[in-house]
Parts: sequence; structure tokens; C-alpha cells
Amino acid sequence: SQQGEEDPQALSIQEGENATMNCSYKTSINNLQWYRQNSGRGLVHLILIRSNEREKHSGRLRVTLDTSKKSSSLLITASRAADTASYFCATWGNQFYFGTGTSLTVIP
Amino acid sequence: EPEVTQTPSHQVTQMGQEVILRCVPISNHLYFYWYRQILGQKVEFLVSFYNNEISEKSEIFDDQFSVERPDGSNFTLKIRSTKLEDSAMYFCASSEAWTGNQPQHFGDGTRLSIL
Repeated sequence: SQQGEEDPQALSIQEGENATMNCSYKTSINNLQWYRQNSGRGLVHLILIRSNEREKHSGRLRVTLDTSKKSSSLLITASRAADTASYFCATWGNQFYFGTGTSLTVIP
Repeated sequence: EPEVTQTPSHQVTQMGQEVILRCVPISNHLYFYWYRQILGQKVEFLVSFYNNEISEKSEIFDDQFSVERPDGSNFTLKIRSTKLEDSAMYFCASSEAWTGNQPQHFGDGTRLSIL
């Protein structure tokens, strides 16, 4: 499979803390995307980082990409209860591959 | 903000019956996709569609599956003879350009239950 695992599989933090999720993949990529899925809903695109970028910011989100290690991380700063969701990384090979996801719970 | 809409939200069908899941992608988008998510598992790619033809499909998308854009707005997924293992959430998505460079916008899904 193109896609590896995200870790951790589950993460529980207090509101206001930072949350870091990691993603690994197996083949070369053009870009890597992060999505959020609230329970029972569709996926929402968060951020796209291209293979020639090392870091990208969007509001409270910070994504890093290390193509030599085939890994990416998503940092959510100053977390809120509304950030509770599953987070997936995704890459395009000959199809779009999603990782297994990290389930984040932010406790108010 | 424009949305991808899917109908119905929940479909219950007897095994062996045909089912059609419907999607209205965002109007100026050119690429369309179907995914499925079995309960508790990851999202799996089924098919991508561009310029009125399938551009990529996964091994899941066998002869029992077909897609169609019957008019300028709808994008459908048909499962010809449903099996129990087809029970899942099915998500439609669209993107303005090829998703290698553009994000996809997802609908909220259709929950398909096969009895």
C-alpha cells in the first residue's frame, strides 16, 4: 500500500494544549494533504503541502514535510474542544490514499 | 460556500438489489471521486472521473460498480447487485483540478446498509 500509518492512533489532550500527529507514506509524492473528519460527517480539507515545501502554516495549524523520511506532521496549537475529530493525511499515487487516521479528543 | 451534496443520507437495501447513490458536486469543479469507509476503518478510494470518463479506479471498483454523470450536475455511483460487505459510508468528492494539486471537497456521505 502507498500509505503508511498515522500515529498516534488516538490522542486525548486538555483544551489549550498543542496536539501533534504524524503520518508516514511509502512512495514519492507531489504533495501531501491533511483532512479532518468529524463524527458522521465528510472529510474537510485542512492544508496541502507540496513536496518542495518543508513547512506550512494555516491559522493554528502547522504542517511539516520531510521527504527524505517520507513523513509529515500536523501540529494544532492552542487546541479547542471543537478540534475533536479524526485527522487523516492523504497522498496521490495512481489513486488517492488516506492514512488510518488519528482520533483527537480535546477535553474542555 | 459551495458544497458537495449527497442523497440519500441513509439507504437500506436488500442484498442482491441495485442501488444508486447520488451526488451533486460543486458546479465549477471538473474532477469527481467516490470513496467508501467501512465502519471504523479508513477511507478507501473507489474511482475518479474526469471529462465524462473514469480516470482511475481501485481494485475495489469491480464490475459491480459503475459511475455516471447523467446531466450537467449529478454524479452517480451504481452498485448492481449489492452484497453484505458493501455496507459502508460512501463519500463523493470533487475538485477544481486534478487532486494532485488541489484539495478535494467532500459531501457528508450516504450510509448504505445491506440487509
